[in-house]
Amino acid sequence: DTAVSQTPKYLVTQMGNDKSIKCEQNLGHDTMYWYKQDSKKFLKIMFSYNNKELIINETVPNRFSPKSPDKAHLNLHINSLELGDSAVYFCASSSSRGYTFGSGTRLTVV
Amino acid sequence: QQQVKQSPQSLIVQKGGISIINCAYENTAFDYFPWYQQFPGKGPALLIAIRPDVSEKKEGRFTISFNKSAKQFSLHIMDSQPGDSATYFCAASKSDYKLSFGAGTTVTVRA
Repeated sequence: DTAVSQTPKYLVTQMGNDKSIKCEQNLGHDTMYWYKQDSKKFLKIMFSYNNKELIINETVPNRFSPKSPDKAHLNLHINSLELGDSAVYFCASSSSRGYTFGSGTRLTVV
Repeated sequence: QQQVKQSPQSLIVQKGGISIINCAYENTAFDYFPWYQQFPGKGPALLIAIRPDVSEKKEGRFTISFNKSAKQFSLHIMDSQPGDSATYFCAASKSDYKLSFGAGTTVTVRA
């Protein structure tokens, strides 16, 4: 029973398209995140939601818009995709015991 | 600006050897220091974590050493095994849970 699941696992799309990545956690955590991992494996936070409210919004282009319909779900919508958006995107949730990450979505923009 | 600096970028160790990864931080407000292990195609998984009120924590073959005055912490992998080959990330956060990650260390254990 997957704790943090995100779909799709792979996403290949053309420049200029709009795409969404979905994330769900069944851990009962209040806080969820989106992280971006670049080609050098560096992990950088993008957004954080606590119980459906946005609490962290790092310097991310406006083309990225997170949405949290409830505290178990945090989706990421990306408009007008660019080549530089190619990366692995990780969803995570956290409690005082630490983070649990999903297995990632590899986004390739061609 | 990277808040947690990690070294080395990569290391190779023989089976049975000791792997040591070092991290340094600047923000004295950080109060939680976890290490994550990531295998190819997978998300990072929590390996071990420490808070600044202790100087060392051991779980099996993995030990964190923490030096509050120097603002440094390190991961020691004892008796390294081929299955330990992975990328290791140190991280730090304040009570807001926002994790700042180091750049990662790729560990290769040769049989």
